[in-house]
Amino acid sequence: EADIYQTPRYLVIGTGKKITLECSQTMGHDKMYWYQQDPGMELHLIHYSYGVNSTEKGDLSSESTVSRIRTEHFPLTLESARPSHTSQYLCASSEPGQGGNTIYFGEGSWLTVV
Amino acid sequence: AQRVTQPEKLLSVFKGAPVELKCNYSYSGSPELFWYVQYSRQRLQLLLRHISRESIKGFTADLNKGETSFHLKKPFAQEEDSAMYYCALKDSSYKLIFGSGTRLLVRP
Repeated sequence: EADIYQTPRYLVIGTGKKITLECSQTMGHDKMYWYQQDPGMELHLIHYSYGVNSTEKGDLSSESTVSRIRTEHFPLTLESARPSHTSQYLCASSEPGQGGNTIYFGEGSWLTVV
Repeated sequence: AQRVTQPEKLLSVFKGAPVELKCNYSYSGSPELFWYVQYSRQRLQLLLRHISRESIKGFTADLNKGETSFHLKKPFAQEEDSAMYYCALKDSSYKLIFGSGTRLLVRP
């Protein structure tokens, strides 16, 4: 079934650990995005990609990095997690559609750094 | 600067009452606007977009360029409409800029 998947859904890790949040989509979309959202706050774009080997930083500065080696895969990595990285991370993908761009979201990854 | 503003964090209404969720935007070009919804324990999903001029689940939204607004309306709210609603603006690079969201609570 065409969808966008994020793992892990929930993660609690210690300060200084390296973590990778996985995101995969089976819709063949070229464009993929990572948003960060604190509870009750707006979504902020932190990374996006328009295709393989294309990555750009979003509007909100983030210490995380991303890679896009395959169309369907867009992982996000934090080399050394800190409590300030505690947040929800939403992966999304899109393709140009009739009437404009429809963005599809994953279920999100809740990260807690202790 | 491009910006989307949703002035209400929480909107509480009784079932059957009309609902209007406010959204104002700031954008120098020709805007493309969307409403996204997140029901409890579900992912964020597209509700409607202004280009389609459609009504989804009884909701409509009209783009008012003079007032730079894209308010979401429904004449008779239902309990299942309770959710988090986000207004979003698509910029020239196909990125979505989101507002801070409004929680709609429809009470029985």
